[in-house]
Amino acid sequence: SSELTQSPAMSVSPGQTARITCSGDVFPLLYVHWYQQKPGQAPILVIFKDTERPSGIPERFSGSTSGTTVTLTISGVQAEDEADYYCQSADSSSVFWVFGGGTKLTVL
Amino acid sequence: QITLKESGPTLVRPTQTLTLTCTFSGFSLRTNGVGVGWIRQPPGKAPEWLALIYWSDDKRYSPSLQTRLTISQDTSRNQVVLTMTNMDPVDSGTYYCALSTMAARPDWFDPWGHGILVTVSS
Repeated sequence: SSELTQSPAMSVSPGQTARITCSGDVFPLLYVHWYQQKPGQAPILVIFKDTERPSGIPERFSGSTSGTTVTLTISGVQAEDEADYYCQSADSSSVFWVFGGGTKLTVL
Repeated sequence: QITLKESGPTLVRPTQTLTLTCTFSGFSLRTNGVGVGWIRQPPGKAPEWLALIYWSDDKRYSPSLQTRLTISQDTSRNQVVLTMTNMDPVDSGTYYCALSTMAARPDWFDPWGHGILVTVSS
């Protein structure tokens, strides 16, 4: 299967922890990458290779894996973290790339 | 600094062919492991990967769209071109190009261009 499933939306208060999950049969065979997208902007990479953080991304962003579910964790959520978050991997043969349906994070 | 910029028509008629150009700087498509991908995003929906071309001229296409897509590169101009035939209103959305590197299975996309909004309408 090549589908990646994300919950459509979640909300947290500032300072709380947000855990955004992505499920897919390709995990843990393949890596997951996570993108943040704010309205009117292009997606930016916040986590790659399951757990690695690109330079310039705050330490409050982290990634983890457990079986067929991968998680993006934002610790101490700030108002600026309100955005859509997408997971990305590929089909099991790594022939084509796949995005999850996205999770809209609202900071209350 | 790596940058990518999409260009092309913002309005296309149904059944026409869309041609988009990605002009990049800060890297070379002659470098081992480097690729440029195209991703589109309908308004309010998730990104959808379309195609990718590697430094070796290896080309990959979305299985659902491969009969309509062609990706090519002009390394002398630092450009990657995507054509999509038989455009339909459901193809409307923002089209992005992005840098990919063969550093993991699968590649990730970073950075992305700002995107170009394409509307298909008569």
